[in-house]
Amino acid sequence: DAGVTQSPTHLIKTRGQQVTLRCSPKSGHDTVSWYQQALGQGPQFIFQYYEEEERQRGNFPDRFSGHQFPNYSSELNVNALLLGDSALYLCASSLLTQGWNTEAFFGQGTRLTVV
Amino acid sequence: AQSVTQLGSHVSVSEGALVLLRCNYSSSVPPYLFWYVQYPNQGLQLLLKYTSAATLVKGINGFEAEFKKSETSFHLTKPSAHMSDAAEYFCAVSVATSGSRLTFGEGTQLTVNP
Repeated sequence: DAGVTQSPTHLIKTRGQQVTLRCSPKSGHDTVSWYQQALGQGPQFIFQYYEEEERQRGNFPDRFSGHQFPNYSSELNVNALLLGDSALYLCASSLLTQGWNTEAFFGQGTRLTVV
Repeated sequence: AQSVTQLGSHVSVSEGALVLLRCNYSSSVPPYLFWYVQYPNQGLQLLLKYTSAATLVKGINGFEAEFKKSETSFHLTKPSAHMSDAAEYFCAVSVATSGSRLTFGEGTQLTVNP
């Protein structure tokens, strides 16, 4: 079991550009959540996808959008990048039917640097 | 809304000494509580979780935590620190109404001195 895999591992973008990050959940998991972790801070919840729909959203602007595919993999898109978007982006997967307190498995993250 | 406060952004202990990392939570409904560890340039790994069963929870690598409702605390302990325990530790909370959405604390960097 490969666990949660994210790509790419590192990315450098210029202000104003758009970026797409990808996540494959742990085998058997159906729910994907995205978090932003700025340097020296705890992860902040961006949004969660289940059954190809956004189920919950944190306090992030509409520049942040996502998608979940039929195979449960997910993408995070960020438009009009700002310097403040530089962070580690973490994907977490879980199995909804195990309940709301189920363990979330995290990927290694994508380190995004905006210059 | 729920929140987590981790007291002490940096904790330093000697190898073999007791590890105590503090976490206090705020929630208007019964919480689920988690401790995660993050090694440099890696994702988060679950150490242990409290889900309203036993208040003393044992996790991996010799860590344990005790849920104290009266103190709204969920402190993480390990009797004897090992050099490999050096990492960033995050306390997190979720509630049934928020799904598996986690709210994290700011983290505590643990340093283990030889």
